[in-house]
Amino acid sequence: DGGITQSPKYLFRKEGQNVTLSCEQNLNHDAMYWYRQDPGQGLRLIYYSQIVNDFQKGDIAEGYSVSREKKESFPLTVTSAQKNPTAFYLCASSSGGGSSTDTQYFGPGTRLTVL
Amino acid sequence: GQQVMQIPQYQHVQEGEDFTTYCNSSTTLSNIQWYKQRPGGHPVFLIQLVKSGEVKKQKRLTFQFGEAKKNSSLHITATQTTDVGTYFCAAYYGGSQGNLIFGKGTKLSVKP
Repeated sequence: DGGITQSPKYLFRKEGQNVTLSCEQNLNHDAMYWYRQDPGQGLRLIYYSQIVNDFQKGDIAEGYSVSREKKESFPLTVTSAQKNPTAFYLCASSSGGGSSTDTQYFGPGTRLTVL
Repeated sequence: GQQVMQIPQYQHVQEGEDFTTYCNSSTTLSNIQWYKQRPGGHPVFLIQLVKSGEVKKQKRLTFQFGEAKKNSSLHITATQTTDVGTYFCAAYYGGSQGNLIFGKGTKLSVKP
């Protein structure tokens, strides 16, 4: 069953703790993305990676870090430096290759609540 | 950075009424994509428009790309309760794929 998986669906953490969100895809896609969604807001790009071992900052990268050691995996760490981490986090992937006609496929999301 | 404006933010309709959401950019777009997010779900790709003046239809949904490639619209004819959700446009300006810019979305509710 191909697709993108994110785990866990709901995550609770205490303020000041780092937390890592998982994103795995078996679509053989080169490109992967992390977005943050807040109520009434669109999707804001945190980080993206077009190829293994390479990634770029998006519009709101401060307080976040990522790694791309494997093609299938793109974990996102929400650090204690992120001032307002409570949000819905969406991972996406696309076939990549720099094509302007690339479309993105989204995972089910992780809802992070920092207490 | 680049921004794409999407209006309205919310739309409440009676089942059977039509619905339209609009996206506008101050600069020319390479292409525009539309996504739908059901309540509690994740965005799902609907369609992509690339050519100036392009019109595409999917059953009751009609998508348009402006002649100047600066605006786009999604029109739903005779809404149904299954149309409920938030509709996002996502604009691509060129360069790396990381430049896909999402509008804030239009949240559609349909009263049966």
